[in-house]
Amino acid sequence: QKEVEQDPGPLSVPEGAIVSLNCTYSNSAFQYFMWYRQYSRKGPELLMYTYSSGNKEDGRFTAQVDKSSKYISLFIRDSQPSDSATYLCAPAGGSYIPTFGRGTSLIVHP
Amino acid sequence: DGGITQSPKYLFRKEGQNVTLSCEQNLNHDAMYWYRQDPGQGLRLIYYSQIVNDFQKGDIAEGYSVSREKKESFPLTVTSAQKNPTAFYLCASSAPIPSPLHFGNGTRLTVT
Repeated sequence: QKEVEQDPGPLSVPEGAIVSLNCTYSNSAFQYFMWYRQYSRKGPELLMYTYSSGNKEDGRFTAQVDKSSKYISLFIRDSQPSDSATYLCAPAGGSYIPTFGRGTSLIVHP
Repeated sequence: DGGITQSPKYLFRKEGQNVTLSCEQNLNHDAMYWYRQDPGQGLRLIYYSQIVNDFQKGDIAEGYSVSREKKESFPLTVTSAQKNPTAFYLCASSAPIPSPLHFGNGTRLTVT
């Protein structure tokens, strides 16, 4: 079992839809949870950074962590074509550097 | 304007040649990293360094070498021993582990 699992997609949605991106992990030592967005031919950029279980909201983006089930979600409200990118989850903790999932490709069509 | 600079953006080399990828940061971060990204495979860690003059192998270090002589710089050499070097290489930096990583915009290396 890989440490971090993500469905690679692609996930295709119409503009304005609510998007749910998910990630599971196996290492119970992870306490910090990051989501990165990567546009084609660019480096990943940090989108959300949360600690422990719970929700964190930033504009149209909400990150949700359930440590009991080792499940991480990123919700995007009112999705826009500019949200089309690959989304990578990256849990970390203790002496562990962030471990990246393979990413989910999102396509938002007008 | 703080950030990470990777150069060049595109690099072409003949098989059998060593090539060095540059990475410079002005974020005053102690830790720096090199990742390789292939289509459909996500980010794979090559090397990382938590402090000057010290570095550790990642998951796929074979065929690569690094140095960390200055806090700002972490060059990666892709040697002729790397069997499949064509890939997108990403450099990152962070405050002490396990802080979030900040990435450069990558170097696309093509070896023919």
